[in-house]
Amino acid sequence: NAGVTQTPKFQVLKTGQSMTLQCAQDMNHEYMSWYRQDPGMGLRLIHYSVGAGITDQGEVPNGYNVSRSTTEDFPLRLLSAAPSQTSVYFCASSSGLVDEQFFGPGTRLTVL
Amino acid sequence: GQQVMQIPQYQHVQEGEDFTTYCNSSTTLSNIQWYKQRPGGHPVFLIQLVKSGEVKKQKRLTFQFGEAKKNSSLHITATQTTDVGTYFCAGQNDYKLSFGAGTTVTVRA
Repeated sequence: NAGVTQTPKFQVLKTGQSMTLQCAQDMNHEYMSWYRQDPGMGLRLIHYSVGAGITDQGEVPNGYNVSRSTTEDFPLRLLSAAPSQTSVYFCASSSGLVDEQFFGPGTRLTVL
Repeated sequence: GQQVMQIPQYQHVQEGEDFTTYCNSSTTLSNIQWYKQRPGGHPVFLIQLVKSGEVKKQKRLTFQFGEAKKNSSLHITATQTTDVGTYFCAGQNDYKLSFGAGTTVTVRA
C-alpha cells in the first residue's frame, strides 16, 4: 500500500493563480482532512470529509474548496492564491472518527 | 472553539537528560493523540489516550491523560539524538482534531 500520497511536492504560484493540490489514499479510509502547517502555529484544519460526497469546513477554510467524489481522492483547490497561503499542506486520512491520522508527505506551496 | 495549547514551544536537551512537554485544552476531550514530526517530514502517529487518568508507555516515552481529560503530557527519559523533532498533541472532539503548536526538540550530544 502506498498509504497517503500528495502531489505536487513543491509548487510556486503567482498571486491570483489557481491550482489543485491532489491527495489520494489506498487504505479505504472514510475520513480525510486537509491541514496547513505554519511556523509556530501547528497544524490547522482547512476542510475535512467523513465520506464520499460529504465535506465540511475546518478552522481556516477561506480561500479553499474541496470535493470528495470518491473514497480515495480528496483534492484541495486554491481559488485565487494569496501570499498568506504560503505554507506546507498536509492531507491525512483515518479509518474512523477517533482513529490515528495517516499523513501524506506534504506539499510545500509558495505564493509570490 | 476548542483550543489546544502546548508548552514549551522549544526544548533544548542534553543527550541523556529527561524532559516533559505539556498539552492543555480549553474543553473536555474525547481522546488525545500524540504525533512526532521529524525535520522535513510529516507527522507520524505515536499514541492515543482515551480514558481519564490513562498512562501509556512506549520504551522511553511516557504519555499521560489528565483526570479531567483536559490535559496531557509526554515525558521522555534519557533523551537520544533520535528524539529530535517536533512533538504535537491533538485533542479530538466531534469530527475534528485540534493540534497544539508543537514542542520542537533539539538534542546536544
